[in-house]
Amino acid sequence: AQSVTQLDSQVPVFEEAPVELRCNYSSSVSVYLFWYVQYPNQGLQLLLKYLSGSTLVKGINGFEAEFNKSQTSFHLRKPSVHISDTAEYFCAVSETGGGNKLTFGTGTQLKVEL
Amino acid sequence: GAVVSQHPSRVICKSGTSVKIECRSLDFQATTMFWYRQFPKQSLMLMATSNEGSKATYEQGVEKDKFLINHASLTLSTLTVTSAHPEDSSFYICSARDSAQARYEQYFGPGTRLTVT
Repeated sequence: AQSVTQLDSQVPVFEEAPVELRCNYSSSVSVYLFWYVQYPNQGLQLLLKYLSGSTLVKGINGFEAEFNKSQTSFHLRKPSVHISDTAEYFCAVSETGGGNKLTFGTGTQLKVEL
Repeated sequence: GAVVSQHPSRVICKSGTSVKIECRSLDFQATTMFWYRQFPKQSLMLMATSNEGSKATYEQGVEKDKFLINHASLTLSTLTVTSAHPEDSSFYICSARDSAQARYEQYFGPGTRLTVT
């Protein structure tokens, strides 16, 4: 079984500042890693995913994440945030050989302030 | 491409009644769909995996007789909450896996807000 930990429930940041949202996972097998964004009362939108290969993954809206196998982490970063980035961010993991079932972290509320 | 719709977006029902939520893949075929439940300010919890033409697979602790899932076609899965109670009030989200793409690709619907009074 796998699990995902998002240590920060809320992250306030000023506009144009950099941000990092932390994600750690636990699994006994190889995994795929994902970051999703959820705006209020909406479904989830995929930001980026790590499947294999380069550990630095670039996604939409200027976000990127780095897979660190030794630290079992997949932190999400953006060098300069915008007000429109205010949303809930979920890290998720699925086993590479499994039925594509996703296990989600508890989410991080990113609040961008002027 | 890869659009998943849910209907209705919001529904209010009285305690004891049943409500059906539809999940449709609009531009792709989905042999597998997933149903999630999300409580306020919490994560998504997988309820069940819906497979076209076969019985759904429910996660531990989910009552299959209460949450009826039907996946009768390659583009439609339905979740029926039977004899709803206020504690069933939640945000229900479905996702669909494109049969023509890699297994890890999963597309999410916009969610359905269920309120049981």
